[in-house]
Amino acid sequence: GIQVEQSPPDLILQEGANSTLRCNFSDSVNNLQWFHQNPWGQLINLFYIPSGTKQNGRLSATTVATERYSLLYISSSQTTDSGVYFCAVNYGGSQGNLIFGKGTKLSVKP
Amino acid sequence: KAGVTQTPRYLIKTRGQQVTLSCSPISGHRSVSWYQQTPGQGLQFLFEYFSETQRNKGNFPGRFSGRQFSNSRSEMNVSTLELGDSALYLCASSITGTGGGYTFGSGTRLTVV
Repeated sequence: GIQVEQSPPDLILQEGANSTLRCNFSDSVNNLQWFHQNPWGQLINLFYIPSGTKQNGRLSATTVATERYSLLYISSSQTTDSGVYFCAVNYGGSQGNLIFGKGTKLSVKP
Repeated sequence: KAGVTQTPRYLIKTRGQQVTLSCSPISGHRSVSWYQQTPGQGLQFLFEYFSETQRNKGNFPGRFSGRQFSNSRSEMNVSTLELGDSALYLCASSITGTGGGYTFGSGTRLTVV
């Protein structure tokens, strides 16, 4: 089956710093989403981005489908950005089956 | 619009008991999928329902089952609970279940003692 790998597994930043999170996937996908899991466990949808670039405030994401990777950029990080960031993909006709990476745990220090 | 609602938020059960979790999707979303999250295995797909039919199933034992009602609300049931079933159970809804646009609920944290 398809493999999803995220890097780095852990990241510690000072408030105000920028960061780049990476997601590699082993096969063609028809859906790629980035999520932020808050301390209460809820997965918050950040981007639906099977290809191209999107921006939302301090966050932006780029997916290069032909090279099978996606990047999530966080600029001017804030303590509220702390949590775990997941990349998840869906492929072929696989209904409802999102394949998740293991996540990047981000800690932003004041 | 209302988000995905999962109830209850927390549960404590004893080994051998059974448990039922509920998920109400976003209005208009017909696909509901369930995931189990544990520290060791991460997020794993359980099953997906669309228009009251299970379309896809992950690699979990038959003790894990689910159903979907005509209003798209879904329930999952775990019978004969084991300690290893302790996890955060998340459901997600989407319009079709393929492509993108999955929205997750807040989850049900199940502890089996």
